[in-house]
Order: sequence, then C-alpha cells, then structure tokens
Amino acid sequence: GNSVTQMEGPVTLSEEAFLTINCTYTATGYPSLFWYVQYPGEGLQLLLKATKADDKGSNKGFEATYRKETTSFHLEKGSVQVSDSAVYFCALRWSNTGKLIFGQGTTLQVKP
Amino acid sequence: DGGITQSPKYLFRKEGQNVTLSCEQNLNHDAMYWYRQDPGQGLRLIYYSQIVNDFQKGDIAEGYSVSREKKESFPLTVTSAQKNPTAFYLCASSTAAGQRTYEQYFGPGTRLTVT
Repeated sequence: GNSVTQMEGPVTLSEEAFLTINCTYTATGYPSLFWYVQYPGEGLQLLLKATKADDKGSNKGFEATYRKETTSFHLEKGSVQVSDSAVYFCALRWSNTGKLIFGQGTTLQVKP
Repeated sequence: DGGITQSPKYLFRKEGQNVTLSCEQNLNHDAMYWYRQDPGQGLRLIYYSQIVNDFQKGDIAEGYSVSREKKESFPLTVTSAQKNPTAFYLCASSTAAGQRTYEQYFGPGTRLTVT
C-alpha cells in the first residue's frame, strides 16, 4: 500500500547548522508530496509542496526536491534557527479523493 | 481573516460519554477532513467529506461519527464505542479534491482527554 517513512527523531542541532530530514515514500502512480510543520500545541501548517518529479518546493529557507528515481522528498535547510524547533511531517496525496498519508513526524530541536 | 476554527481547544470528558468536536471553516472549501494525532505518531484519517451531505470513512472511523449539513461545518462525535478516545484531533479543509495543486489547511486542533 501507499506509505511515507521519515527518519526518526528527535533531531538536535545547534543554531546555524545544516538540516536534513529524510522522507521516502511508497505509492502507485504519481503522488503529490508535502512537508507540514507543527509548532507546539498548534495545528499543522503547510511548509512546501511538489506535484511532479524533479519539482523543488521551497519556503522560508526550507527546500525539498521530488525524486521519483529514489522515491524521496528530503527536507533541507542551510542554516536553522531556534524558531525552527517543531515537528515536521512528510505527506503524500495519491488519489483524487484528496486524502493525505502522513509519515510519523520528526521532532527538530534547535539549541542556541 | 479566512481560516478554520476548532473549539474548544481542550476538552475533558468522563468515560462512557459521547462528545462532539466543532470544526468551522470560512474558506469556501468543498472538502473537509478529521484526523487523529497520538504522541509520536503521524496523523490518521478518521472521516472526510468532499461535498455537503456526503462523507466517507477514513482509516480509523470505528467509534466516531460525523455530519456535513453545511459547507462550512463538519462536526465530529467521539462515541463511547471509541476504545481510546484521548488524543489530539485536527480538522482540515481543501478546495475540491481532484485538483492536483490543491492543499489542505488545518485548524488549531482540540485536545480531548477522557478519564
């Protein structure tokens, strides 16, 4: 079946470090891919998205490239800030129903 | 401002009681969704609705019920049949499913505690 796998957390980094959060997926067809961010006690916010192979989504310094050959959508940021501390979810949408399938989430902790 | 509201933010109930969680959106979105989030886990889909007066079960619908009488409202009832109701519940909405570039917008969530 369709699924999303993220690297386990927590990921702990110092401010200004480089961030990578791995995400791989299993899906039939050509899913759309998303990264959502959840700050403590809040709902999810869309961070970025890509709808076809080789698309790069970017927002607020975060980037992810839709790699069909490796079925991956890794999240990267060149220099993290304390304010980036949150839980990050990778998700895919694979059908016209609009249903999203989420990974388990990766907690990022950025220390000053 | 357009958005999704969920109320209340925290909800406490005794075991055996039904409880209804509110979700309202003013984004004019056709589709609405309910997810459940447990610690350390991703979101799991409970129910979704693509149009008024129609809804479908998600992956974990047992013990839950919904209605969609109005476009802007999609309340979720957690019944006494739900074995582990304590969780964080998130509502989302989107433009009509089938549009490849559409995205889901989420509400702030309701944390339900059943004792």
